Amino acid sequence: KAGVTQTPRYLIKTRGQQVTLSCSPISGHRSVSWYQQTPGQGLQFLFEYFSETQRNKGNFPGRFSGRQFSNSRSEMNVSTLELGDSALYLCASSLTGGEQFFGPGTRLTVL
Amino acid sequence: AQTVTQSQPEMSVQEAETVTLSCTYDTSESDYYLFWYKQPPSRQMILVIRQEAYKQQNATENRFSVNFQKAAKSFSLKISDSQLGDAAMYFCAYKREYGNKLVFGAGTILRVKS
Repeated sequence: KAGVTQTPRYLIKTRGQQVTLSCSPISGHRSVSWYQQTPGQGLQFLFEYFSETQRNKGNFPGRFSGRQFSNSRSEMNVSTLELGDSALYLCASSLTGGEQFFGPGTRLTVL
Repeated sequence: AQTVTQSQPEMSVQEAETVTLSCTYDTSESDYYLFWYKQPPSRQMILVIRQEAYKQQNATENRFSVNFQKAAKSFSLKISDSQLGDAAMYFCAYKREYGNKLVFGAGTILRVKS
């Protein structure tokens, strides 16, 4: 089985722009979760989607949004980028409430 | 809100020796999951071991084992016969029984000396 894939792997944007990151879960997995990893704040939960519905949301501003498609692929969008949004964004998929499998991440740099 | 604390920012171990990484957590729930994830320099998060809170028996996976003390809210990871490939950042994580939100600790960098 193919693992979780994330595209793009690297991204450079400037302040004020917006960005869309994509995540394709393991085949058959219906839950997709997103995490932000920074040196200062560590790993923080952004949101989780299950069957196209946001099931849980972390403590991030409304500039961070996401969605899930009928094939379980998920996208997250960050609008009006700030320097502090520079981070590794990780996506994870799971079947139900069990273990989560992570993708390789998207490294976002905001200049 | 649940919190996870890893009090060791960095640990070192000699190759072939044993090392224990500490983790404590805070929750008011009785059913939950605990995990140890490994993140090597490639940044790929790899699941090392999982523990269901309702299970009294400590989980083991080859050279990796945990010491789960539910009353003390402690969840330590023991790595036996350490190998150079074990060098990585290790994260302890908590998950409620339902849903998939993981709460991570700050991580422990493990260095393995040859």
